[in-house]
Amino acid sequence: DIQMTQSPSSLSASVGDRVTITCRASQGISKYVAWFQQKPGKAPKSLIYGASSLQSGVSSKFSGSGSGTDFSLTISDLQPEDFATYYCQQYKSYPHTFGQGTKLEI
Amino acid sequence: EVQLVESGGGLVKPGGSLRLSCAASGFTFDSYSMTWVRQAPGQGLEWVAYINSNSLYMYYADSVKGRFTISRDNSKNLLYLQMDNLGAEDTAVYFCARLPPYQLPIDYWGQGILVSVSS
Repeated sequence: DIQMTQSPSSLSASVGDRVTITCRASQGISKYVAWFQQKPGKAPKSLIYGASSLQSGVSSKFSGSGSGTDFSLTISDLQPEDFATYYCQQYKSYPHTFGQGTKLEI
Repeated sequence: EVQLVESGGGLVKPGGSLRLSCAASGFTFDSYSMTWVRQAPGQGLEWVAYINSNSLYMYYADSVKGRFTISRDNSKNLLYLQMDNLGAEDTAVYFCARLPPYQLPIDYWGQGILVSVSS
């Protein structure tokens, strides 16, 4: 199985900041990475697919990059509604494993 | 509008069974693969099972293989997860989710349903 190692596990930031979350795959997965946002008590929301493509309706403040084994999610101009937990997921092969999550806190 | 609504969750004793349903609407259900993802209390997301659009292919996480069965009824726009021999480690919120064609990842999620396994 492909393991996804996400870092950091938690991150403190302020409104207006720009932050980056990273995800490393245990083997090369081309660009088969997705990113999700989850707020407490809610279903995840799909943000990015193909490592860097925004899902429909997602703000351009979210951006993704990477290929192979190293990937990142960058969120610019943080607003209160962006404070949530973020997960990466590889979908190159089954099982479609998730990273352990990054909790973004004010 | 795409909607996925789970039902069938609840409290079950260890060793018991439960069947989750996911009612899909707002899209052509039989054109999409579907998947189940779960989240134990206070924990991260765990992929559980996958089924393709015509039920030819199903895949499972090792943690549920042999105990859970994913299925679908395209005539009723319903996705199912039959869960047998449940243990405390299966306590979680279960989400159904849609997978677009051409090897794309989840784009829409249901709101989730809680399954609690306890004596």
